[in-house]
Amino acid sequence: AQTVTQSQPEMSVQEAETVTLSCTYDTSENNYYLFWYKQPPSRQMILVIRQEAYKQQNATENRFSVNFQKAAKSFSLKISDSQLGDTAMYFCAFISGGGADGLTFGKGTHLIIQP
Amino acid sequence: AAGVIQSPRHLIKEKRETATLKCYPIPRHDTVYWYQQGPGQDPQFLISFYEKMQSDKGSIPDRFSAQQFSDYHSELNMSSLELGDSALYFCASSLKVRTSGRAVHNEQFFGPGTRLTVL
Repeated sequence: AQTVTQSQPEMSVQEAETVTLSCTYDTSENNYYLFWYKQPPSRQMILVIRQEAYKQQNATENRFSVNFQKAAKSFSLKISDSQLGDTAMYFCAFISGGGADGLTFGKGTHLIIQP
Repeated sequence: AAGVIQSPRHLIKEKRETATLKCYPIPRHDTVYWYQQGPGQDPQFLISFYEKMQSDKGSIPDRFSAQQFSDYHSELNMSSLELGDSALYFCASSLKVRTSGRAVHNEQFFGPGTRLTVL
């Protein structure tokens, strides 16, 4: 079974700063997908970024980028120029490319952006 | 753009009662997923359906059952409710692409959730 570990329960940074959220995972598979989801106080789950394991290039979405280290099984999220609206729980998630459907989530990191 | 619709948004039940949660996926999406998120917890995968057939099963209790109908909407039926069933229940949908026998997992779009409180 796959496991996803987020070692930072809570982080706090000033607005406009850059912050990196860490995520490590454990799997014996070679084909899989990794995601970062954001859950603001509204509790809506919003996809931030997606990475396919067989792609070496790190995914980027505007101010959000990842550092995907496949050998180290690490998938960190970098948020540049952080904004107050980035305050939320951030979940790292894994899904197998072998047919299983369910996302396996980490415990989450509560990110607080201070004005 | 149309999103995933869940109803009801809030539900209060007594112990040992039954509850039915409904999910309407994004049009043309072929896969529906159900997740349970307890207070302060990460979402846990319960069950999924692809083209109206059960596709994958996670940590769904035997007291729960689900199905997907011909119009692709899905229902999660929960019986003999327990206090520990109080949680936020998410439905998600996606368009699953299969390439050379390999599933390509596109984004799972989540609905707003149904908050179930069992008293």
